[in-house]
Amino acid sequence: QLQLQESRPGPVKPSETLSLTCTVSGGSISNNSYYWGWIRQPPGKGLEWIGSFYYRGTSYYNPSLKSRVTISVDTSKSQFSLKLISVTAADAAVYYCARLWYGSGHMDVWGQGTTVTVSS
Amino acid sequence: DIQMTQSPSSLSASVGDRVTITCRASQTISSYLNWYQQKPGKAPKLLIYAASSLQSGVPSRFSGSGSGTDFSLTISSLQPEDFATYFCQQSYTTFTFGGGTKVEIK
Repeated sequence: QLQLQESRPGPVKPSETLSLTCTVSGGSISNNSYYWGWIRQPPGKGLEWIGSFYYRGTSYYNPSLKSRVTISVDTSKSQFSLKLISVTAADAAVYYCARLWYGSGHMDVWGQGTTVTVSS
Repeated sequence: DIQMTQSPSSLSASVGDRVTITCRASQTISSYLNWYQQKPGKAPKLLIYAASSLQSGVPSRFSGSGSGTDFSLTISSLQPEDFATYFCQQSYTTFTFGGGTKVEIK
């Protein structure tokens, strides 16, 4: 059974870089039926798609975050990563990684989420 | 960007009630519409994909309909475990979520 697990970062200070990793187990990141992506949810608010990638190298980012986000993949470790630069208090949220179906785009497997706090 | 508007933002209902949540896209998205359920402290759970296809393992009391810009999620007979927040999501052009509908106990 496919499982996704986000890393647990320590607190991030304003203007610093947030780095998260999602480890995929029970399946292959290189499966051409799927995208992989990151979604976040600020406390008490709705869901915001951050970005997604296809294992062959295509990446898509939310236009509102595109200048600050990079998603990369390490297929040898079955991991993909999120890097968000110049964080502010507005980036504090629960961050989820998820599997997305290629074509239809529905997100059928999610990690449990990891809480990111931004504090000086 | 495609905007997704859900209504209502919250509702109160009783066990056994029929509940309908609507989602409107700012432009046509064909049937690229998915529905999720989220309980406090948990990740979202996929209920419906491609507007009307029931995800494996999801009870048949959940159903989805619509195409173009107007969509709905219906729970035919609300159960205690259905009290949660529901989100729609378009996947026609990248991905956007609706603001959510919180279903509370009456």
